[in-house]
Parts: sequence; C-alpha cells; structure tokens
Amino acid sequence: AQSVAQPEDQVNVAEGNPLTVKCTYSVSGNPYLFWYVQYPNRGLQFLLKYITGDNLVKGSYGFEAEFNKSQTSFHLKKPSALVSDSALYFCAVRDMYAGNNRKLIWGLGTSLGVNP
Amino acid sequence: DTAVSQTPKYLVTQMGNDKSIKCEQNLGHDTMYWYKQDSKKFLKIMFSYNNKELIINETVPNRFSPKSPDKAHLNLHINSLELGDSAVYFCASSPAKGLLNEQFFGPGTRLTVL
Repeated sequence: AQSVAQPEDQVNVAEGNPLTVKCTYSVSGNPYLFWYVQYPNRGLQFLLKYITGDNLVKGSYGFEAEFNKSQTSFHLKKPSALVSDSALYFCAVRDMYAGNNRKLIWGLGTSLGVNP
Repeated sequence: DTAVSQTPKYLVTQMGNDKSIKCEQNLGHDTMYWYKQDSKKFLKIMFSYNNKELIINETVPNRFSPKSPDKAHLNLHINSLELGDSAVYFCASSPAKGLLNEQFFGPGTRLTVL
C-alpha cells in the first residue's frame, strides 16, 4: 500500500541549531514529494517539492530537503532554526495509482518547536 | 489580496442543522479541493473539482455535498450536522489537476457542532 510516514510527532531544537524533520514514503514508481508547513490557526503553506532532478531541493524560508531513493526518504532540513519556524510540518506524496493521481497522500504531521 | 478565502472563519451550530461553507480563489486556478482536519491535526481530502467537474470524491457521508458554480468557487454544504463533523475545513486550489503543482490553502473554517 502507498503511504507516507513521519516517524516523529514532535521535534524540539534550540534556536540557531540545525533541524531535521523526517519523512519516509512507500509508493510504486518515481515519487512526487512535497513539504507543507502549518502555522498555528492558519492554512497550510507550500515549502518545497521534489519531482525530478537534483536530489537536494531548496524551498521557502531557508528550508531544503534531500531526496534519497535508496532509503525512500525525503527529510526536511534547515541549517539554523528560528523560533518563528515553530509550526506543524506535513510531508506528502502523490498517489501513484491510476485514476488516483490527482490527490496527495499526507503524513500525520510533525510538530516542530524551536526554543529561544 | 487574499488568494484563497473561506467564509465563515468560525461556525458554531447545533446538531441536526444544515450549514454551508464558501470558498473562493482569485488565482485563476483550475482545480479546487476540500480537506477536513480533525482535532489531532490529521488531514483528509474530501472532494476535488477541476473546472466545475468532480474529480475526487472520497469516502465521505452523503450529508456532505460540494458545489462548484464556476472554477473560482467551491462551496461545501453539510446536512444534518453531527458531533463528529466538528473539525477545521480547508479549501485549497492548484493550477492544474495533475499534481506537479503545489496547492494553495485557505485560512480554514472551524466548525463546532454542539
């Protein structure tokens, strides 16, 4: 079955330290992968996506993600965390089943807390 | 200008009532979506329209009925509201029905059923 896993419900880092939010996936074929962020009481915002090409994808607000095909992972990273990065982060992958390729399979979200 | 807007932002109502949530996007996108986010923040797609045509219809009670009068609007009507319908409902849009493009989300409508 196709799926997306975000193994950590909560990640806490100190401001200025690097952060990683993990995502692994299971789909048939080449994956289309996305990261979204949800700030408190707001809608989701797109951060970045991997479709093809360079395995390191750069996105909004200084975030980047590394696609690793052998490990079926797409971890979100930032070299230096800010308190304002505290939010809920969602990983998603395109549903690859024929007829279903118009929807995303969403992870359960990882809450990131950045301490001053 | 707000790209994807929803009204109302908050909706508190009694069980058994019928209510509607409206969504409008001014991005010129062809595809619009309705999502439900429950109290644990789980995100679940409900419906999607492309140019007024229904293209995604997930396993949702038939008390929920989407309506798209034109490609810039996607409304959600809910009949006979139940306690379990309490959630935040998000509208989203994207430029095309394929998923190479990101989705743009509205601010959400928090529905509370008493």
